[in-house]
Amino acid sequence: AQSVTQPDIHITVSEGASLELRCNYSYGATPYLFWYVQSPGQGLQLLLKYFSGDTLVQGIKGFEAEFKRSQSSFNLRKPSVHWSDAAEYFCAVGEYFGNEKLTFGTGTRLTIIP
Amino acid sequence: GAGVSQSPSNKVTEKGKDVELRCDPISGHTALYWYRQSLGQGLEFLIYFQGNSAPDKSGLPSDRFSAERTGGSVSTLTIQRTQQEDSAVYLCASSYLGSSGANVLTFGAGSRLTVL
Repeated sequence: AQSVTQPDIHITVSEGASLELRCNYSYGATPYLFWYVQSPGQGLQLLLKYFSGDTLVQGIKGFEAEFKRSQSSFNLRKPSVHWSDAAEYFCAVGEYFGNEKLTFGTGTRLTIIP
Repeated sequence: GAGVSQSPSNKVTEKGKDVELRCDPISGHTALYWYRQSLGQGLEFLIYFQGNSAPDKSGLPSDRFSAERTGGSVSTLTIQRTQQEDSAVYLCASSYLGSSGANVLTFGAGSRLTVL
């Protein structure tokens, strides 16, 4: 069964600094991968997705993520964070034409300091 | 509708009471999912519908939990004899499985359940 690990429970970053959130997955075949963001009291919003092809994918709000098969990773990055980026970030993995549910990591809470 | 709609947004109930949570998916989305998010936890899968049938209900925690979907649209998650450990945010999502074989879920804002 697939699984997702987000090793960082909580990260604090200064506004304007760069950001990298880690995500590792366990899956036997080629997965498809997502990052979702959840602001306080809100549902989950899709930031970006990787299905196939170019391993560097661009998303909304200036985020990008890189799929590295050799490391089973799909880390999320942003070159310069804004105070509005403070939220909970979830990585998720799915299976092509298989069990259609997504498996989510436990999330990383991002705090931005001035 | 334009998005996934969930009601109620907040529900406070007493231990032992039954509750119903409703999800109205995006029009045309054939798949519907229920997840549970407990405080400080990730998203726990509960059940998935394709049309009106539930191919995967492996995440339902106990027989106190049930869900149905009618007309390939609205779904109701019912929790009987609620317990304090049922307190959580219940998230609904819907999707359309395209020819790529990959599934993109759109989430509602959730129903926050508090059991006293």
